[in-house]
Amino acid sequence: GAGVSQSPSNKVTEKGKDVELRCDPISGHTALYWYRQSLGQGLEFLIYFQGNSAPDKSGLPSDRFSAERTGGSVSTLTIQRTQQEDSAVYLCASSPLAGARREQFFGPGTRLTVL
Amino acid sequence: GESVGLHLPTLSVQEGDNSIINCAYSNSASDYFIWYKQESGKGPQFIIDIRSNMDKRQGQRVTVLLNKTVKHLSLQIAATQPGDSAVYFCAEKGGNTGKLIFGQGTTLQVKP
Repeated sequence: GAGVSQSPSNKVTEKGKDVELRCDPISGHTALYWYRQSLGQGLEFLIYFQGNSAPDKSGLPSDRFSAERTGGSVSTLTIQRTQQEDSAVYLCASSPLAGARREQFFGPGTRLTVL
Repeated sequence: GESVGLHLPTLSVQEGDNSIINCAYSNSASDYFIWYKQESGKGPQFIIDIRSNMDKRQGQRVTVLLNKTVKHLSLQIAATQPGDSAVYFCAEKGGNTGKLIFGQGTTLQVKP
């Protein structure tokens, strides 16, 4: 079956602009995660959604970052008033069930460049 | 605070040799650990996982060892192949939280 997909694959924007990044999880997966990966670094947790529960937003670096998940499927990560330090690869993952010891399946990521 | 780290940023091995990639973690409450492989331009790909009630788990050509006493995790790759060249990350998860805490990654280079 299809894996996790993300769009766009690359996004170049100017400082101060807003951007929206999209994630389509694997069908049937109830948990969805967003991570950020700066160049040459590990992955930094941002936010995760589990079913109808309130999302865990503990990793969002500032109030310029927000995410929503509509209908328990597609998710959008929004970054307002982008800054150069927001440049990174944004990775989305999904899993059948959060909190359980289940692997997370990652998408290819969106590379964001803020000029 | 929580942290997961890898001891070496780059590991270079000869094709056919065995590779060992190490990871140290600091959160003794973590009960699930995963190794991911990330090739250039791609998202991380699951390799193998282990629960804290185990100390060893084997997959195809890979073995993960967990030493809870010293909070150490390792990934062993047998008969390393050029296709194994990638960045390897360990990650930990604690309790019922969904988030993974990742280490910085070790780049594995396989020489022909």
